[in-house]
Amino acid sequence: QVQLVESGGGVVPPGRSLRLSCEASGFTFSSYGMHWVRQAPGKGLEWVALTWYDESNKYYGDSVKGRFTISRDNSKHTLYLQMNSLRVEDTAIYYCARDAGYGGSNWFDSWGQGTLVTVSS
Amino acid sequence: DIQMTQSPSSLSASVGDRVTITCRASQNINNYLNWYQQKPEKAPKLLISAASSLQSGVPSRFSGSESGTDFTLTISSLQPEDFATYYCQQSFATPLTFGGGTKVEIK
Repeated sequence: QVQLVESGGGVVPPGRSLRLSCEASGFTFSSYGMHWVRQAPGKGLEWVALTWYDESNKYYGDSVKGRFTISRDNSKHTLYLQMNSLRVEDTAIYYCARDAGYGGSNWFDSWGQGTLVTVSS
Repeated sequence: DIQMTQSPSSLSASVGDRVTITCRASQNINNYLNWYQQKPEKAPKLLISAASSLQSGVPSRFSGSESGTDFTLTISSLQPEDFATYYCQQSFATPLTFGGGTKVEIK
């Protein structure tokens, strides 16, 4: 069965960087687009970023554009999110989610359990 | 960006009730609308894609429909395990956007 396991969350001061990872198993990782979606404490869901199956296309939410970078290593079945210039408002649970297709379906058919990022001084 | 307006933000209902949640898109998104269920401290789960396509394993009491830019999630007979927060999401264009959520609580 599809399994997505995030890691790399923690507490970080504003302005610093953090890299999240998402290890995938149970499906052909290199055939699917992958997303990051976040949820601030007690709030709703916010889409963060998408990479197509082959990294040929990448898209970002307005609030993270220019600060966050999504990437993947298909040989390691792993998705990444490099987060730079972190702000207090980036505090959230970060979920990795599988796209229903190669990247153009734009909906999320499997989700990881999430990793918490807290930006605080 | 496409705005998704979901209503109500919360509702109280009893087991066996018929529940309807609405999501309105700020522009035409065809049928590129998906519904998710999220229980406390858990990741969201996909219920319905493309406005009305029920995902495998999702009970048939859940259904989705569309009328122009208005979309509806209906639970025909609410069960105890259905108490959760529900989100709509448009997949028509990036940036992908969600509705604000509807929390379904026990009356």
